[in-house]
Amino acid sequence: GAGVSQSPRYKVAKRGQDVALRCDPISGHVSLFWYQQALGQGPEFLTYFQNEAQLDKSGLPSDRFFAERPEGSVSTLKIQRTQQEDSAVYLCASTPRGRGHFTDTQYFGPGTRLTVL
Amino acid sequence: KNEVEQSPQNLTAQEGEFITINCSYSVGISALHWLQQHPGGGIVSLFMLSSGKKKHGRLIATINIQEKHSSLHITASHPRDSAVYICAALDNTDKLIFGTGTRLQVFP
Repeated sequence: GAGVSQSPRYKVAKRGQDVALRCDPISGHVSLFWYQQALGQGPEFLTYFQNEAQLDKSGLPSDRFFAERPEGSVSTLKIQRTQQEDSAVYLCASTPRGRGHFTDTQYFGPGTRLTVL
Repeated sequence: KNEVEQSPQNLTAQEGEFITINCSYSVGISALHWLQQHPGGGIVSLFMLSSGKKKHGRLIATINIQEKHSSLHITASHPRDSAVYICAALDNTDKLIFGTGTRLQVFP
């Protein structure tokens, strides 16, 4: 009965480095969301997967951000050439069902705190 | 102006006090979530509302669709209630739009 897990929990990167953040959703959950939470702010939507299909990537702030979920379970958010403004907590959430059932409870992971120096 | 606004931003209370956190939104929604975030980041879903009122233990959430307003109440507050409370509106494109949160501290 594991919940949503994310790794690493903390990541420090030098400006310009590439980073990869991993999310393990609850087993069998169809929907997976990535959010970005800046310090003192609420989370903001980045992208949404239904199984392996990325149905919405409208929140990704630039083409340096890329996400994938190739087998419909684990997802990776990759940030290329990190900038200081990318410093934030990156949250992953999953729900049991797909689009049309977004009133389902979202189960959040603990987040990855990214600091770009 | 943010599409989802919360008030107050910060709230301090003595143990036992009745607490109210307010959320107003300007977009059309299909549901509204109240979430609790503890230091360290973990977010827990408290309620999902599309109308009326829900109660869970000492927590009560209400929503007025016509006025585009929701409230979260905590009765008999306790120091373990100290956290950031976030409301999030599920808009008509199925995206969650989050408020900036209300930081609650309850002192013994």
